[in-house]
Amino acid sequence: DAGITQSPRHKVTETGTPVTLRCHQTENHRYMYWYRQDPGHGLRLIHYSYGVKDTDKGEVSDGYSVSRSKTEDFLLTLESATSSQTSVYFCAISATNEKLFFGSGTQLSVL
Amino acid sequence: AQSVAQPEDQVNVAEGNPLTVKCTYSVSGNPYLFWYVQYPNRGLQFLLKYITGDNLVKGSYGFEAEFNKSQTSFHLKKPSALVSDSALYFCAVRDPNTNAGKSTFGDGTTLTVKP
Repeated sequence: DAGITQSPRHKVTETGTPVTLRCHQTENHRYMYWYRQDPGHGLRLIHYSYGVKDTDKGEVSDGYSVSRSKTEDFLLTLESATSSQTSVYFCAISATNEKLFFGSGTQLSVL
Repeated sequence: AQSVAQPEDQVNVAEGNPLTVKCTYSVSGNPYLFWYVQYPNRGLQFLLKYITGDNLVKGSYGFEAEFNKSQTSFHLKKPSALVSDSALYFCAVRDPNTNAGKSTFGDGTTLTVKP
């Protein structure tokens, strides 16, 4: 999947615990994104980054934070996980303002 | 605001028959349009894009899409479907004045090709 690694691939956690998902790329692409995929909602943008330490909110950013200290890594943190954050999370990268390349996803279950 | 509609949750076709997966969009100005495919337990894969130029765009795996500005549509087509085309298909639109991640995705259409 275009040099994108998401970890972990699966995670089960309890309500109220913090969770961090990692996206690592080997493509040296400038843009990185976090999406969540839920049935009936397609993909919704959580946060994105346009460079090291440059991030911005997407359409469903409440309850999530991100950090990008290196070009290759983009971390998504759920400060206090809730059941509504049970979802499949996808990282995507882009070198230009055109097509996206996606990772294989992280299945997160919050019990 | 930009939006995408995929009016069909499910499309079923027989192998060898032509297939169409529909997409309509709404965006201010001239759109950037994309189709992505998702196989089970995988991330989305880029199929094709329309940025400018010829309204008929050819992409991967024999797929093509036709941009129709008057009908604000970007339907995905293939002349002869394969069983291996069975997957979840997403249409996406972006205002060219935003970056790639600010694409809006449709809810997806599940394509099933039967032998």
